[in-house]
Formats: sequence, structure tokens, C-alpha cells
Amino acid sequence: ETGVTQSPTHLIKTRGQQVTLRCSSQSGHNTVSWYQQALGQGPQFIFQYYREEENGRGNFPPRFSGLQFPNYSSELNVNALELDDSALYLCASSSPGGGNGEQYFGPGTRLTVT
Amino acid sequence: RKEVEQDPGPFNVPEGATVAFNCTYSNSASQSFFWYRQDCRKEPKLLMSVYSSGNEDGRFTAQLNRASQYISLLIRDSKLSDSATYLCVVNRGGSQGNLIFGKGTKLSVKP
Repeated sequence: ETGVTQSPTHLIKTRGQQVTLRCSSQSGHNTVSWYQQALGQGPQFIFQYYREEENGRGNFPPRFSGLQFPNYSSELNVNALELDDSALYLCASSSPGGGNGEQYFGPGTRLTVT
Repeated sequence: RKEVEQDPGPFNVPEGATVAFNCTYSNSASQSFFWYRQDCRKEPKLLMSVYSSGNEDGRFTAQLNRASQYISLLIRDSKLSDSATYLCVVNRGGSQGNLIFGKGTKLSVKP
């Protein structure tokens, strides 16, 4: 196992609601990246946090926001949920300059928006 | 055109077969390359990094051709347990760069 944990494992929300997903990175890793994986697709990069600052963002609207805490854990917040937000949300942690860019994934949170 | 493109699959092969996956990437500034494996409804797991010199890990061999912007993965003597989706992954650069994933190629190994 990677040591990356995520909560909750599953979540059902209604369109228009807000959701917060959580991630604890592997010990020694100070960088957390978030990805969205729709059914039948590869994961798509949402954003990355490094030392509590956003360190890059993919093509996602501002209603997707995040935080990183001093212990390097992280949250992903999504406001005004849409049906298309239904997906597996993955976080991945990595170490500074480590592993040539390798990232280690948590088990994901499966979000269903109805 | 997607930044990382893979064979669409699925690949259905008998046990013991050799199977090859191909992948191309469009950003010539990409710096590091990987194959990840993803089992059904699970998270992606790093299978192997890919280097220009080629690298081998048991039954798995990965190759990178930077001139052609092409990555491959060869699985020899396939096992039932190799059944999974194989994701070609590119890191754009920098030690903290984000990963760009292909859509994945599903492999089913049959008895």
C-alpha cells in the first residue's frame, strides 16, 4: 500500500450542493495532487499543492478549490455540483524532487451527483 | 489531439501470450514517463518508469523513443493476474510536475 488515505470512500450528493474530500499524504511527501477520473477515462489533473500553496492547475473551473495543511494533508472542495462531476476523485502524493516525478495514489473517493 | 494517446483496446489474450501496448505523446518538452496499472474500481499503481535506454522488470519491458515521442510496454508470458487497464503517463516537467494520463488500454488474459 502507498500510505495515501482518502475519505470518504463513497459519497452521494445532489446537484447544486457542495462537497469536501480529504487526503492524507504518504509520510515524508510534501506535495499532493488531485485528479478526476470519469468512467472509462484516464485521470485528469485538477491541481497540485506544494508547501500549502497551489502549484499548478488543470482545466477545471474555479468552483473546484483546494487547501493544503501544515501536515501536508489536503482537501478538495467542489461547489455548485453538476451531474458531470460524478467521478472517482484521486489524490496522489510525491516527495520533493523524488522519483523522477513518480506519484503515489490513494484509493479515491467515488462521488455520485444526482 | 489528446496529449497522450494509447491503443484503444481492449486486448483479449490467452495465458502465456506476449502483448504490446503503444503510446504516443505530443508535448516534446515532457520529461518523465511511466506505465501505471489500474485494476477495476481501484486506484492507479505505478508499474514502471520508462527510460530512453529501455528498462526491464521481470516479464515487463518498457521502451521510450524521444525522437518519435513513442512509449511502449511489452508483457511476456502473460498471467491471469495481468488483467487490468494499463495507463501510459507523462510528466510535463519539474520535480513536482503534474501527470498526464492516456485513456488506458484494457487487457484481459483468459485461461
